[in-house]
Amino acid sequence: GESVGLHLPTLSVQEGDNSIINCAYSNSASDYFIWYKQESGKGPQFIIDIRSNMDKRQGQRVTVLLNKTVKHLSLQIAATQPGDSAVYFCAEILTGGGNKLTFGTGTQLKVEL
Amino acid sequence: GAGVSQSPSNKVTEKGKDVELRCDPISGHTALYWYRQSLGQGLEFLIYFQGNSAPDKSGLPSDRFSAERTGGSVSTLTIQRTQQEDSAVYLCASSLLGRSYNEQFFGPGTRLTVL
Repeated sequence: GESVGLHLPTLSVQEGDNSIINCAYSNSASDYFIWYKQESGKGPQFIIDIRSNMDKRQGQRVTVLLNKTVKHLSLQIAATQPGDSAVYFCAEILTGGGNKLTFGTGTQLKVEL
Repeated sequence: GAGVSQSPSNKVTEKGKDVELRCDPISGHTALYWYRQSLGQGLEFLIYFQGNSAPDKSGLPSDRFSAERTGGSVSTLTIQRTQQEDSAVYLCASSLLGRSYNEQFFGPGTRLTVL
């Protein structure tokens, strides 16, 4: 079946550095891609999304890049802070296919002081 | 306003018992989703309700799993004859509309442990 994401890696960064979290997707028909942040004991929290007809979208301290040629999605976090420590999931959605999110396996981000 | 709430937060049960998990979506959200988060499978879709339409049950792993949504609001996920592989965090999410993409807001989840 279709799947999104890589294995679950851990990314360690120093406070104040920029973080880049990557994700691969396989369903070229998906029309939205979303990044979620999940802290321990909590449900996923929306960070930012991007429509498939865009290649870049910026939010507050975050940027999502979409490369449809290689089916790659990335999340860039600027000036990473300790509060950014969490597991980050990419997800894709095919709105004509029932609105169900297909998640990647996630990346653990650890911010070192 | 209040977010998505789920109860119980933790549930420990014995193999073979039935369990019911509850989800209260955000008021006014017409779409409601159940997902399961387990170590081996990550986050996976289970079922989706949208208004009065027939639910999309395509993600339910077996006929031991069922869900209902009463009055277009509260939803209950029922697992019959629980097995150890059912141990996971069960997450509920809700969103506006549902015909097109709308942000899904997640609850804190119910951690189910089957002994």
